[in-house]
Amino acid sequence: AQRVTQPEKLLSVFKGAPVELKCNYSYSGSPELFWYVQYSRQRLQLLLRHISRESIKGFTADLNKGETSFHLKKPFAQEEDSAMYYCALGAAGNTPLVFGKGTRLSVIA
Amino acid sequence: KAGVTQTPRYLIKTRGQQVTLSCSPISGHRSVSWYQQTPGQGLQFLFEYFSETQRNKGNFPGRFSGRQFSNSRSEMNVSTLELGDSALYLCASSLGQGTYNEQFFGPGTRLTVL
Repeated sequence: AQRVTQPEKLLSVFKGAPVELKCNYSYSGSPELFWYVQYSRQRLQLLLRHISRESIKGFTADLNKGETSFHLKKPFAQEEDSAMYYCALGAAGNTPLVFGKGTRLSVIA
Repeated sequence: KAGVTQTPRYLIKTRGQQVTLSCSPISGHRSVSWYQQTPGQGLQFLFEYFSETQRNKGNFPGRFSGRQFSNSRSEMNVSTLELGDSALYLCASSLGQGTYNEQFFGPGTRLTVL
């Protein structure tokens, strides 16, 4: 069965510091990985997906199949990055996304 | 284009009652998924509907059920409510099935069971 692990419930960093939100997955096939973000009082929305290899709001994430990881990174954190971040795994076929339990990022001024 | 809408936004019920939640997807989207969001468990998948058929179901008891109408609107029903059912219930719509289709989430319905 597919599984997504986000080891940190809460991550606090200072403004301007680098950020890394960890995500590890368990899946024997070829995965589709996503990061979703939920800002305060806003709905959950897609931040980025590994297949597009984009940088959104300064965030990047690289799929490492050897380490089964998809960590989210940003070189310089901003206060507006404070939010709940969810890593999600998509498997082959029409199977539903599997979400991690989320990491709350708090950027301190 | 209007986003996903969910009604009602807030509900307070007592144990043993039943509740129906509604979700209107983005126009043109045929797939609707439901999730339960709690602080301890994050997002847990309930079920997915596509073209009025349930395509996937999560590990929830039979008290949780749903349906989708011909206009793609979906309803979720929870019978014999328990305290542990208190959560934010999210609906998400996408153009089609499969993980390559981006999911667009609604604001959620906050259910409190007393």
